Amino acid sequence: EAGVAQSPRYKIIEKRQSVAFWCNPISGHATLYWYQQILGQGPKLLIQFQNNGVVDDSQLPKDRFSAERLKGVDSTLKIQPAKLEDSAVYLCASSLGPEQYFGPGTRLTVT
Amino acid sequence: GNSVTQMEGPVTLSEEAFLTINCTYTATGYPSLFWYVQYPGEGLQLLLKATKADDKGSNKGFEATYRKETTSFHLEKGSVQVSDSAVYFCALSTSGGGADGLTFGKGTHLIIQP
Repeated sequence: EAGVAQSPRYKIIEKRQSVAFWCNPISGHATLYWYQQILGQGPKLLIQFQNNGVVDDSQLPKDRFSAERLKGVDSTLKIQPAKLEDSAVYLCASSLGPEQYFGPGTRLTVT
Repeated sequence: GNSVTQMEGPVTLSEEAFLTINCTYTATGYPSLFWYVQYPGEGLQLLLKATKADDKGSNKGFEATYRKETTSFHLEKGSVQVSDSAVYFCALSTSGGGADGLTFGKGTHLIIQP
């Protein structure tokens, strides 16, 4: 069974630029999550989708972050414009039940 | 709000030593509790879980018991190996089956020396 796929794996941008991350969950998983993991901290939930609807986006900085999950499968997370403090690993996870399966993450560096 | 506190690392042990990584939590309701592990260069993997008080989760020689009275979920292993070197995260979910987003601790970096 293929795992959660994410791309790109690494991205370096300058502040005020925009960036987008892509996630392909495990086939059949209805729930998809995006987490932000800043160096030295645990992952923090940004947004949770159930199929193509948003369940929880209470911790998503909506002035600069946006996410969508068209057709209830793939998802993209966008940052526009990026700030220095957005430097982090962005993790995508999916689940069918209680266990969440994580992708390898995208490491974003904002200079 | 929900929060998880786990012991700061790095924790350095010799092979075959006994391991304890402390984890305490604050949550509304009755959370499900998890330990995730991140091996070098790999993604987060679920190590074990417990969904109600007094449950014991176990996997790969690791175990943790859900202690509601002390709001704790300490990770233990009787004899660690070099291959156990990784970062360990304690986490909780307040949905009934853990399908909601997880609240993580900061992680504990474990280093096992031969």
